[in-house]
Amino acid sequence: DAGVTQSPTHLIKTRGQQVTLRCSPKSGHDTVSWYQQALGQGPQFIFQYYEEEERQRGNFPDRFSGHQFPNYSSELNVNALLLGDSALYLCASSSVSGTYEQYFGPGTRLTVT
Amino acid sequence: GDSVTQMEGPVTLSEEAFLTINCTYTATGYPSLFWYVQYPGEGLQLLLKATKADDKGSNKGFEATYRKETTSFHLEKGSVQVSDSAVYFCALRGGNTGFQKLVFGTGTRLLVSP
Repeated sequence: DAGVTQSPTHLIKTRGQQVTLRCSPKSGHDTVSWYQQALGQGPQFIFQYYEEEERQRGNFPDRFSGHQFPNYSSELNVNALLLGDSALYLCASSSVSGTYEQYFGPGTRLTVT
Repeated sequence: GDSVTQMEGPVTLSEEAFLTINCTYTATGYPSLFWYVQYPGEGLQLLLKATKADDKGSNKGFEATYRKETTSFHLEKGSVQVSDSAVYFCALRGGNTGFQKLVFGTGTRLLVSP
């Protein structure tokens, strides 16, 4: 049973560029959440998707957007990258019909130069 | 809003020592509480959880009890191993629907020496 997968593993971008990160949820899960983890900090909630709609959003600017596909996979897009966007981006999946436990992927390390 | 406070690290212990990592929370209602562990270069793994007051979560020798009166969820292990070296995050999830976010503490790094 495959767990949560994310791609790419690492990414280096320049300020002002745009980036897309991808996530495939654990089998049987229908909800995807995205978190940003800055170095030495705990993860911060960005947003959550269910049935291809954003259900909840954290305190992040509109430069951060997402999408969920019919197969439950998800993308996180960040426009106009800033140096402060450098972080580990974690995807977590869960099921609304289960125990709501969130299972995390290995993350994508984004470096903005 | 909801928040989690953890003791600052690093916590440095010798193998077989007793471990306590303190965690307190602020939340409305009755949140579920979690401990996650992050090994170097990896994502987060759920270590244990408790969903109501006085519940004790346990896994791999780690334990934590949901104390509503002190709003705490301290992590304990009787005898740590070198392989337990990692960063430990306390987290809460408010409410009881599928659409609740996790709120994390800042993490506590544990270093265990042989």
